[in-house]
Amino acid sequence: AQSVTQPDIHITVSEGASLELRCNYSYGATPYLFWYVQSPGQGLQLLLKYFSGDTLVQGIKGFEAEFKRSQSSFNLRKPSVHWSDAAEYFCAVGAYRGNKLVFGAGTILRVKS
Amino acid sequence: DTGVSQDPRHKITKRGQNVTFRCDPISEHNRLYWYRQTLGQGPEFLTYFQNEAQLEKSRLLSDRFSAERPKGSFSTLEIQRTEQGDSAMYLCASSRGGGRHSYEQYFGPGTRLTVT
Repeated sequence: AQSVTQPDIHITVSEGASLELRCNYSYGATPYLFWYVQSPGQGLQLLLKYFSGDTLVQGIKGFEAEFKRSQSSFNLRKPSVHWSDAAEYFCAVGAYRGNKLVFGAGTILRVKS
Repeated sequence: DTGVSQDPRHKITKRGQNVTFRCDPISEHNRLYWYRQTLGQGPEFLTYFQNEAQLEKSRLLSDRFSAERPKGSFSTLEIQRTEQGDSAMYLCASSRGGGRHSYEQYFGPGTRLTVT
């Protein structure tokens, strides 16, 4: 079965510093991959998606992610973090069947000033 | 595009009561999904519809749970005889049908259920 691992439960970065959130997936073929962001008490907002093609994908709010098949990874990056980026971030993979998404447990990002 | 809406946003109920949640998807989306999210976890799939047909149900969806999408537009999720373990955020999402685009799911704000 497909699975997603987000190794870091919490990450703290200084405002203006760069950010990388890790995501590893388990999937037999070329995966469909997604990053979502969730603010406290809110639903999930789609940041970016990967279906095929260019392995570096750009998303909203200045985020990007790179698909690395050899490492089964889809890490999220941002060159300069803003205080408003503090939230929980979820990586997800599209399941083989049923068009459902399988999510990781999430990484909570804290931004210190 | 007004986004996915859910009602109510919060629900507190006593154990044993029945509750019903509503989801209105993005109007041009024909697929609708329900997920459940507990504290410290990512969302877990419950069920999904294509138009009015319920095409898959997770093992998480016990007999006390039922979902409908009678006219292929809004959907309801009912939990009968609620238990404390049902306390969670219930998220609805919608997507276009067909191929990869069905995986591009847009989520509503969720309904937070607390069972006391």
